[in-house]
Amino acid sequence: GDSVTQMEGPVTLSEEAFLTINCTYTATGYPSLFWYVQYPGEGLQLLLKATKADDKGSNKGFEATYRKETTSFHLEKGSVQVSDSAVYFCALTGMDSSYKLIFGSGTRLLVRP
Amino acid sequence: GAGVSQSPSNKVTEKGKDVELRCDPISGHTALYWYRQSLGQGLEFLIYFQGNSAPDKSGLPSDRFSAERTGGSVSTLTIQRTQQEDSAVYLCASSQGTVKNIQYFGAGTRLSVL
Repeated sequence: GDSVTQMEGPVTLSEEAFLTINCTYTATGYPSLFWYVQYPGEGLQLLLKATKADDKGSNKGFEATYRKETTSFHLEKGSVQVSDSAVYFCALTGMDSSYKLIFGSGTRLLVRP
Repeated sequence: GAGVSQSPSNKVTEKGKDVELRCDPISGHTALYWYRQSLGQGLEFLIYFQGNSAPDKSGLPSDRFSAERTGGSVSTLTIQRTQQEDSAVYLCASSQGTVKNIQYFGAGTRLSVL
């Protein structure tokens, strides 16, 4: 079945450092890909998405590119802030069940001042 | 309301008791979803509603779990005879449709079964 694998955390960075959180997926056809973020005490929020190969999703300085050839959707940010500290989830919806989000295990990011 | 609302935010119950968790979706959203977030299993899909119908209940872990939706709006997730392994955060989401539509999540209900 469809699945998502993302790097384990926690990831600890200093403010203004470069961030990469790796995400790879297994799915038939062309799934839609998402990054969700969960701030402490809050619900999941959509950060960005991409629905077809080579699409780049971007929001709040975060970017991720849908790479069909490597089945990847890595999250990047050029300069992280303390306020970016949260848990980040990579997810997909498959072509057979486009309503069902399948999540990775989540990566906790801690940004120190 | 402006977002997806879930209640209660926290629920502590004793093993064997029944619990009901409530979700108020964003007004006008026809699709509603329940997920469970637990330490051991991560984020898992439970059930999805289109209107008042549940085309996919495949994620419900046992027959102790049930859900309904009335008036195309509020949904209730019921867990009967709770067990300790039911302890988790139960998340509700809603969307305008289902095909490539963004799911908006509530803050969740944290269930603790003692």
